[in-house]
Amino acid sequence: LAKTTQPISMDSYEGQEVNITCSHNNIATNDYITWYQQFPSQGPRFIIQGYKTKVTNEVASLFIPADRKSSTLSLPRVSLSDTAVYYCLVGEGPSSGSARQLTFGSGTQLTVLP
Amino acid sequence: DVKVTQSSRYLVKRTGEKVFLECVQDMDHENMFWYRQDPGLGLRLIYFSYDVKMKEKGDIPEGYSVSREKKERFSLILESASTNQTSMYLCASSSLQPPNTEAFFGQGTRLTVV
Repeated sequence: LAKTTQPISMDSYEGQEVNITCSHNNIATNDYITWYQQFPSQGPRFIIQGYKTKVTNEVASLFIPADRKSSTLSLPRVSLSDTAVYYCLVGEGPSSGSARQLTFGSGTQLTVLP
Repeated sequence: DVKVTQSSRYLVKRTGEKVFLECVQDMDHENMFWYRQDPGLGLRLIYFSYDVKMKEKGDIPEGYSVSREKKERFSLILESASTNQTSMYLCASSSLQPPNTEAFFGQGTRLTVV
């Protein structure tokens, strides 16, 4: 099972771009990289998923280098409401029928300051 | 709007009681998951089900069992509640059918065992 390593915490200021990097040196060929966001007293919420290169949606961008041993979640122009825990997950895609797709690490606590 | 509903937000039970946590999803998803979340430990997978009457152990199944009699409902059972099972419990579901790439979480049940 590919283990992920993320910073425990990060601080940023409103309006800045935030990049959170996740290391996953043992990623397997069939593994996808998925990021979730969790606010206090709520369940995690899907942000973005990718396999290689770059993926962008209305919320974030995900950068994955060619060797796929790391990935970077990029949040453009953060606001106070982006303060949350961000989880990087590595596992087989949801169509695999495997629970490996949803194995969480400890996450990164992002605090956005005014 | 997709929804995963957990039967209770807050629950207080006595040591030794049998406890049922219910989760219902309205998205016709094949996969359903139960996690517990504790400070500093992130989300840990208890059990997983990919079909009716099918279940697989996650990382911490001891002291728990599950039931999936219908596709939309996944129950977590604490056979004899103990104080170390005081935690936030989160249910999730996901589809096996592409292109769905994300899992959806319930709001969580904060269980206190006294």
